[in-house]
Amino acid sequence: SQKIEQNSEALNIQEGKTATLTCNYTNYSPAYLQWYRQDPGRGPVFLLLIRENEKEKRKERLKVTFDTTLKQSLFHITASQPADSATYLCALEDSSYKLIFGSGTRLLVRP
Amino acid sequence: TAGITQAPTSQILAAGRSMTLRCTQDMRHNAMYWYRQDLGLGLRLIHYSNTAGTTGKGEVPDGYSVSRANTDDFPLTLASAVPSQTSVYFCASSPQRGMTYNEQFFGPGTRLTVL
Repeated sequence: SQKIEQNSEALNIQEGKTATLTCNYTNYSPAYLQWYRQDPGRGPVFLLLIRENEKEKRKERLKVTFDTTLKQSLFHITASQPADSATYLCALEDSSYKLIFGSGTRLLVRP
Repeated sequence: TAGITQAPTSQILAAGRSMTLRCTQDMRHNAMYWYRQDLGLGLRLIHYSNTAGTTGKGEVPDGYSVSRANTDDFPLTLASAVPSQTSVYFCASSPQRGMTYNEQFFGPGTRLTVL
């Protein structure tokens, strides 16, 4: 069956460190993968999109990698700040053009 | 720019009653979506619309219906609510569906409790 897996356990890190979140998928062949941020009580907000022919994408302190062989995307936040604390969702488009979301990983950055 | 607005913000509904969740976007996006978000299950697609006048079923469509009479509005109706429909409902839109830049814009959500 098709699955998107994100670590359900919260990631707790110290301010200034790099946070790395993982998104694994099975039985999909997505043309691209997206990452969203969701704060409590709010809707998700788009952060980055990476295409299958792109190994890495950067935006300010954010970096996303996409390994279609491993079927994995890594999401990095460098020099993390308490304001980065949120839940981060990965999403990919299935063969019928629907966006499928992972359940998200909660990030907590301690001051 | 407001983006996407949803109403109501929250609602408590008796089982068996009907309700319509409203969603309006002002970005002139072609595609619109309804998701429900439940703890541990993530966002699941209920229904979608590629353009005004068309709708389609998502992953969990049973018990819900939608209409898309115009570009801006995409209401979601629960004909006879059941407790398993207790969830947070998000409306979203994107410029197109199936394009490489299919970034979705989400509304603030409606928290629905069915008792």
